[in-house]
Amino acid sequence: AQSVTQLGSHVSVSEGALVLLRCNYSSSVPPYLFWYVQYPNQGLQLLLKYTSAATLVKGINGFEAEFKKSETSFHLTKPSAHMSDAAEYFCAVRGGGYQKVTFGTGTKLQVIP
Amino acid sequence: NAGVTQTPKFQVLKTGQSMTLQCAQDMNHEYMSWYRQDPGMGLRLIHYSVGAGITDQGEVPNGYNVSRSTTEDFPLRLLSAAPSQTSVYFCASSGRTSDTGELFFGEGSRLTVL
Repeated sequence: AQSVTQLGSHVSVSEGALVLLRCNYSSSVPPYLFWYVQYPNQGLQLLLKYTSAATLVKGINGFEAEFKKSETSFHLTKPSAHMSDAAEYFCAVRGGGYQKVTFGTGTKLQVIP
Repeated sequence: NAGVTQTPKFQVLKTGQSMTLQCAQDMNHEYMSWYRQDPGMGLRLIHYSVGAGITDQGEVPNGYNVSRSTTEDFPLRLLSAAPSQTSVYFCASSGRTSDTGELFFGEGSRLTVL
């Protein structure tokens, strides 16, 4: 079985401040991990992915995430928030099973001017 | 390149009515799936398919049917709609040769059941 837990359904940061969105996973096999972003009234698009090549993964729009096996975590960070980062962010895991991807419950990021 | 196309974008049904949500992809992906998105619950897998003629249930399959007669299309059928099926539905695909399982999403279909 695989699962994802995202801590905090809503996160607010000031423009220019650090963004930290938390994700912990559970998987019985070495996982593939993903962060997706959803802007209002749109589908999801991939921000970044971990595929075991490197523990620190860089994605689009200045986001990055670090895979920590000992902590079963894959937290998403960005050094300086921009107004355009306001969106909902989903962590996801693919462990056992062909291509089945399990999503977390999402974190809505609000950026305050 | 259209990617994943879902129709309709919006639909209102009465309880007991049936309908089909259409999903088509033009990327020759073998894997296709349907998710529903509800506030506070993230995305939950309804059904998925690993190729033409092969489908399987996800986390919340009750009340939904699927079929996969071609690589391109993966329709989702609601045989007798219930208010609990009010949701936003997303179709997503992934290529068989992908080493990561990255999903490509459609723009969603918003369904309201009265």
